[in-house]
Amino acid sequence: GAGVSQSPSNKVTEKGKDVELRCDPISGHTALYWYRQSLGQGLEFLIYFQGNSAPDKSGLPSDRFSAERTGGSVSTLTIQRTQQEDSAVYLCASSPRGEETEAFFGQGTRLTVV
Amino acid sequence: AQSVTQLGSHVSVSEGALVLLRCNYSSSVPPYLFWYVQYPNQGLQLLLKYTSAATLVKGINGFEAEFKKSETSFHLTKPSAHMSDAAEYFCAVRTPFGDMRFGAGTRLTVKP
Repeated sequence: GAGVSQSPSNKVTEKGKDVELRCDPISGHTALYWYRQSLGQGLEFLIYFQGNSAPDKSGLPSDRFSAERTGGSVSTLTIQRTQQEDSAVYLCASSPRGEETEAFFGQGTRLTVV
Repeated sequence: AQSVTQLGSHVSVSEGALVLLRCNYSSSVPPYLFWYVQYPNQGLQLLLKYTSAATLVKGINGFEAEFKKSETSFHLTKPSAHMSDAAEYFCAVRTPFGDMRFGAGTRLTVKP
């Protein structure tokens, strides 16, 4: 595709339910990143993939959060037993190989836990 | 560990005035630094990046940033603010792991 695609764009879920957020990176991009942006807040790093492996999982807020990437492409961020504090915009980005390359962002998934 | 600090969560300038958004980095190795902009209800887009080729980096929409190793800074400037520059601006650094860490952001308001 032309850019990073995230789905759904909006998700409303009840407290305690599980949710899955999907990210389709730009074709050929080896790196994939997940961030969380709460209202009026900056970008909180969640996890980073290089290929299918995640060298840095330190940002996942709790064991309710998990992420995987398959085939070096699509990634899924799963939040189990959602809580109201999980409400935020979840952003995905991807970049080509190389430290000097920039990350290209998707439009995000707005998650609301009621 | 690599990190960036943005000084000032809110900056307000008059239209036509100089824009200065501050970013200081912490890095044990030569850093790769980035500035992103987020317009209201839009995604993040790259303004410019520093990759050691030149200390003064020019970006889109008339923005530029200067890398100063002695001050560990990478401040973003624009000589003359326009109403359309009102947005959230984020400084970022790439870590040795390969991921990118962002500052808390600076919201720029432009007054007519």
